[in-house]
Amino acid sequence: AQSVTQLDSHVSVSEGTPVLLRCNYSSSYSPSLFWYVQHPNKGLQLLLKYTSAATLVKGINGFEAEFKKSETSFHLTKPSAHMSDAAEYFCVVSSSPSGGSYIPTFGRGTSLIVHP
Amino acid sequence: EAGVVQSPRYKIIEKKQPVAFWCNPISGHNTLYWYRQNLGQGPELLIRYENEEAVDDSQLPKDRFSAERLKGVDSTLKIQPAELGDSAVYLCASSFSGGTITDTQYFGPGTRLTVL
Repeated sequence: AQSVTQLDSHVSVSEGTPVLLRCNYSSSYSPSLFWYVQHPNKGLQLLLKYTSAATLVKGINGFEAEFKKSETSFHLTKPSAHMSDAAEYFCVVSSSPSGGSYIPTFGRGTSLIVHP
Repeated sequence: EAGVVQSPRYKIIEKKQPVAFWCNPISGHNTLYWYRQNLGQGPELLIRYENEEAVDDSQLPKDRFSAERLKGVDSTLKIQPAELGDSAVYLCASSFSGGTITDTQYFGPGTRLTVL
């Protein structure tokens, strides 16, 4: 079985300050991990993904995430928040039980609020 | 390149009525997913298709939900009859290499269903 926990339902930051969105996962198998962003009334957009290569993954719009196996974490960061970053962010874990197909599981989401 | 197309974008129906959602994936994507996203939650997988074959439908409530992808391209998800608890956003996604570690899903804008 696999699961993903986004530790904060809401994160509020000021424009220009760092962003940290936390994600912990549980998986019995080597997972792939993703972060998606969802702007209001828009489809989910892939920010970045980890698929067993480099543990520090760089994505679009200045976001990056680090896979830490010992901590079972995949936190999303950005050095400086922009107003346009305000959105819902989803962490996703995907693994392959018994060598079968990779099945994704989404977290409940973290709402990022950016204040001017 | 056109993204994943879904229609309608919004649907309001009374309970016990039928409803159908349509999805056209990105050209060349063999894998198609249907998700349900309840308010304040992450998307939950309902069914996954590899070409025209449903390979993972364990979360699809088969007493009232059905899906088809007859020619391995576009797909229809149906609910009959709809219940109040079916109010949600129904998301369609597609990918080139479904079920693999590198599988990256591309999402449509979703259909927001309201059951009165």
